[in-house]
Amino acid sequence: DADVTQTPRNRITKTGKRIMLECSQTKGHDRMYWYRQDPGLGLRLIYYSFDVKDINKGEISDGYSVSRQAQAKFSLSLESAIPNQTALYFCATSDPNQPQHFGDGTRLSIL
Amino acid sequence: DQQVKQNSPSLSVQEGRISILNCDYTNSMFDYFLWYKKYPAEGPTFLISISSIKDKNEDGRFTVFLNKSAKHLSLHIVPSQPGDSAVYFCAASGAAGSARQLTFGSGTQLTVLP
Repeated sequence: DADVTQTPRNRITKTGKRIMLECSQTKGHDRMYWYRQDPGLGLRLIYYSFDVKDINKGEISDGYSVSRQAQAKFSLSLESAIPNQTALYFCATSDPNQPQHFGDGTRLSIL
Repeated sequence: DQQVKQNSPSLSVQEGRISILNCDYTNSMFDYFLWYKKYPAEGPTFLISISSIKDKNEDGRFTVFLNKSAKHLSLHIVPSQPGDSAVYFCAASGAAGSARQLTFGSGTQLTVLP
């Protein structure tokens, strides 16, 4: 079983719809992160959380929101999806000052 | 404004030879650097890291070199194997409090030819 699980793996939806991407982990890490990857670009940080009561904006948080429901769960929401949010989304977890461990990604297409 | 740059989108190397992947950065506050490897349909996996207090770190076939004055790091893979074919991302972080946010380069596709 994967240590960092993202659901769904693929999603196609329409402009204006609300979308939620979910991430769960069994690694026991306090820190969780959401990134997006666009073609020809590296991963860019959307939001991160250091514990259940701590949520921080990353480089590109506009148009996104997150919820840290428990230590093991961190979800990303697009309140009203737009086509330029079409991308590959990754969740990651880590211990403090340790490398981040990534899920296998969610490919999101917004028509 | 890319703070971490991987200027070679792709690299092909013969099996058994050395692969050298390069990365440049502009932010002098970065003090910790990592390389991740990514296969298709999978997430990035951590490969090797180096702190700014060192100039070299080795792990088996993988060695990372850091040249702080040039703001340049490189990943050497010796010998290269077909299973090393993947996208390699360079990432950097700075001591911004304890945030350890990572800034990624755009990646280099390595193809190791049998």
